[in-house]
Amino acid sequence: AQSVTQPDIHITVSEGASLELRCNYSYGATPYLFWYVQSPGQGLQLLLKYFSGDTLVQGIKGFEAEFKRSQSSFNLRKPSVHWSDAAEYFCAVGYYSGGYQKVTFGIGTKLQVIP
Amino acid sequence: ETGVTQTPRHLVMGMTNKKSLKCEQHLGHNAMYWYKQSAKKPLELMFVYSLEERVENNSVPSRFSPECPNSSHLFLHLHTLQPEDSALYLCASSQTGGKAYNEQFFGPGTRLTVL
Repeated sequence: AQSVTQPDIHITVSEGASLELRCNYSYGATPYLFWYVQSPGQGLQLLLKYFSGDTLVQGIKGFEAEFKRSQSSFNLRKPSVHWSDAAEYFCAVGYYSGGYQKVTFGIGTKLQVIP
Repeated sequence: ETGVTQTPRHLVMGMTNKKSLKCEQHLGHNAMYWYKQSAKKPLELMFVYSLEERVENNSVPSRFSPECPNSSHLFLHLHTLQPEDSALYLCASSQTGGKAYNEQFFGPGTRLTVL
């Protein structure tokens, strides 16, 4: 069965510091991988996605993620965090089941940014 | 309106009330989803409609009743809910079918409180 693990429930970083959010997935075939961000009171917004090809994926808001098949990981990174990046981040794996698309989400990592 | 919209944004209801949540997508997608988001839990997929047919009902109690009158609109009818049903209910849409895997687009959610 598909699963996504985000081992860090809560992370605090200083503004301007680098950020890495961890994600491990379990899926038998080539995965479709996503990172979403959710600001308070809002829905989920797609940051980036990986389907195939280059394992380093660039997204919006200066985020990037690297797919490592050997480690079943898809970690999200940003070189310099801004206060507006404070939000909750969800890693997800997409797949086909029963002829339609489905997504399994991780539990989320809440990011706090301190001045 | 653009993207995925949801109304109402907030809803407080008693256990004996009947209410409905509405979702509308303006993206021309052919699949729509209802998710339940509770604190400290991964997003739970409740229902999926693909080409206006319900293709998944994830063991959701019958007090939740979905309706998809056309590819742009999705409803979630609620009756005799329990306090543990209090959560953020998210609607999403995607373009499904073909070889490409397309991400889901989310609405802002309805914050439901059951008294």
